[in-house]
Amino acid sequence: GAVVSQHPSWVICKSGTSVKIECRSLDFQATTMFWYRQFPKQSLMLMATSNEGSKATYEQGVEKDKFLINHASLTLSTLTVTSAHPEDSSFYICSAQKGVYSNQPQHFGDGTRLSIL
Amino acid sequence: AQTVTQSQPEMSVQEAETVTLSCTYDTSESDYYLFWYKQPPSRQMILVIRQEAYKQQNATENRFSVNFQKAAKSFSLKISDSQLGDAAMYFCAYRSELTSGTYKYIFGTGTRLKVLA
Repeated sequence: GAVVSQHPSWVICKSGTSVKIECRSLDFQATTMFWYRQFPKQSLMLMATSNEGSKATYEQGVEKDKFLINHASLTLSTLTVTSAHPEDSSFYICSAQKGVYSNQPQHFGDGTRLSIL
Repeated sequence: AQTVTQSQPEMSVQEAETVTLSCTYDTSESDYYLFWYKQPPSRQMILVIRQEAYKQQNATENRFSVNFQKAAKSFSLKISDSQLGDAAMYFCAYRSELTSGTYKYIFGTGTRLKVLA
């Protein structure tokens, strides 16, 4: 199998707080991990592509200083929402690609619901 | 830039009947992958089926099959013998290669499938 674990599943915090979300590939090594944001009843929007040992590649319009991504090992990537504000409230989903071969699909975590008060 | 369009925001199907979800995409690439993902209320993204663009044969996975029309850039999903557990949001996704071994997924806006008992 290919299991991706995301933690926490739900977090509620005050405005101005920084929140860290972890994404772990439990039974495989993931050279590349992806972070998505999903607003209610909308599609997944790619925020950034995270490569192990190098800087993340951010999509246009995503603030890299706001959404800090670290991919320190082949099984862990973290997304830190710095100084979160209510407009950052959303559903964040990570995914990991198993291996580097082109026929490998992404495997998704269960997502993190972030609510900023 | 690649785009993915799902023109049906919502579809309904009677249990045990067949339903087809539409997806069109735009790309200038000749080699790519297409996916259908299912997102139930639990919000986890589950891979339903995938299609390699270089393959002419349509992919099938049990009750799920696709009608891939490369020239028309169409990639529809057919669900046969629909079950109550099939009720979910379905996303069509296009995968393009950024660099060797690194990929970017672009998702459609989704189709909500309701299964009627």
